[in-house]
Amino acid sequence: DGGITQSPKYLFRKEGQNVTLSCEQNLNHDAMYWYRQDPGQGLRLIYYSQIVNDFQKGDIAEGYSVSREKKESFPLTVTSAQKNPTAFYLCASIGTGLYGYTFGSGTRLTVV
Amino acid sequence: DQQVKQNSPSLSVQEGRISILNCDYTNSMFDYFLWYKKYPAEGPTFLISISSIKDKNEDGRFTVFLNKSAKHLSLHIVPSQPGDSAVYFCAASARRDDKIIFGKGTRLHILP
Repeated sequence: DGGITQSPKYLFRKEGQNVTLSCEQNLNHDAMYWYRQDPGQGLRLIYYSQIVNDFQKGDIAEGYSVSREKKESFPLTVTSAQKNPTAFYLCASIGTGLYGYTFGSGTRLTVV
Repeated sequence: DQQVKQNSPSLSVQEGRISILNCDYTNSMFDYFLWYKKYPAEGPTFLISISSIKDKNEDGRFTVFLNKSAKHLSLHIVPSQPGDSAVYFCAASARRDDKIIFGKGTRLHILP
């Protein structure tokens, strides 16, 4: 079955560490997105990529980095520069001409 | 500045009655509007959409109404069922396969 796989489901990070969240899709979608969900804040766009080897900052890119070396993969690195990284992270993708995202099941990141 | 606004953080409705979730937007460039449903610790799932050339779209128990002049849309769920208890996100995009801007969500509680 086609879909988006995010791993791990739960991730714990010590302060000062970088961590990478995985997002893989087998939908052959061109565009991929990372969102962050905080209570009462809805979904806020971190980074997005519309083609391989290209990506753009979203509304809250500070403290995050991404890469898009393959169409199927769009990993997100949460760096130590992100001051408040504890959140639920969602990856999504969309195909050209399609309507609406397909979302992964999310990764909950907690700083300990 | 919020481009998509859901002013009711939560809503409680009796089972069997109609649930009406409201959404306002400010960007006149938005042409596509979507509703997503989200359960805790899961990714959002697409519910229903409407393009700006329509004022109503129906899918089973779910109907979305769009009032372009008022920049307002609403989601009606009739009849409401216990499984409808979730957070509902209103979302909009300027193009069909473009990045999507989300509201902060409304938590719907269906009461027995």
